Amino acid sequence: DAGITQSPRHKVTETGTPVTLRCHQTENHRYMYWYRQDPGHGLRLIHYSYGVKDTDKGEVSDGYSVSRSKTEDFLLTLESATSSQTSVYFCAIRGGQGRGNTIYFGEGSWLTVV
Amino acid sequence: RKEVEQDPGPFNVPEGATVAFNCTYSNSASQSFFWYRQDCRKEPKLLMSVYSSGNEDGRFTAQLNRASQYISLLIRDSKLSDSATYLCVVIFNAGGTSYGKLTFGQGTILTVHP
Repeated sequence: DAGITQSPRHKVTETGTPVTLRCHQTENHRYMYWYRQDPGHGLRLIHYSYGVKDTDKGEVSDGYSVSRSKTEDFLLTLESATSSQTSVYFCAIRGGQGRGNTIYFGEGSWLTVV
Repeated sequence: RKEVEQDPGPFNVPEGATVAFNCTYSNSASQSFFWYRQDCRKEPKLLMSVYSSGNEDGRFTAQLNRASQYISLLIRDSKLSDSATYLCVVIFNAGGTSYGKLTFGQGTILTVHP
């Protein structure tokens, strides 16, 4: 067990409201990622972090922001949710060089925007 | 051209069959390779890493061909429980913060039937 948890696991929200998803790890891994997964698109990277306060955009970052104020938490915020952001969101963690490259995923957060 | 490509399938095979999946990658700076398994409405889970010399874990064999830039997964004696989506994952050694970049294939769907 990689010690990674996501919250909330399921959420229904209205269009235009802000939403924050939380990813928490207990393994002190350096790299953390947020992906969304949709039919026909596979896993797409939204944002990732390579350290506290160090983040970078992925391929589908528009409409999303992230923050990492401490090693164990990586937050994904939808500033103003839209129906196109209805998806399942997976957080992932990975150790850096010397700590192995194995990637662990959280159980996912199912978000529905109505 | 996508950085990582997989045949999406679906592959429908009878129990006991041998099935093989390929995953091609375009970036020759790719460093690490993995196969993940994803069950319906679950998170991806590590199946096995792929080493340059090839590696085997029970009924599963993974191989890497750097010259042709692909990895493969062979499943022997398929079981009903092998039914899942199989994702290949490639890590590019771009250096600096880009070291963190993971790229997923879209996944290959396998269904093993009685």
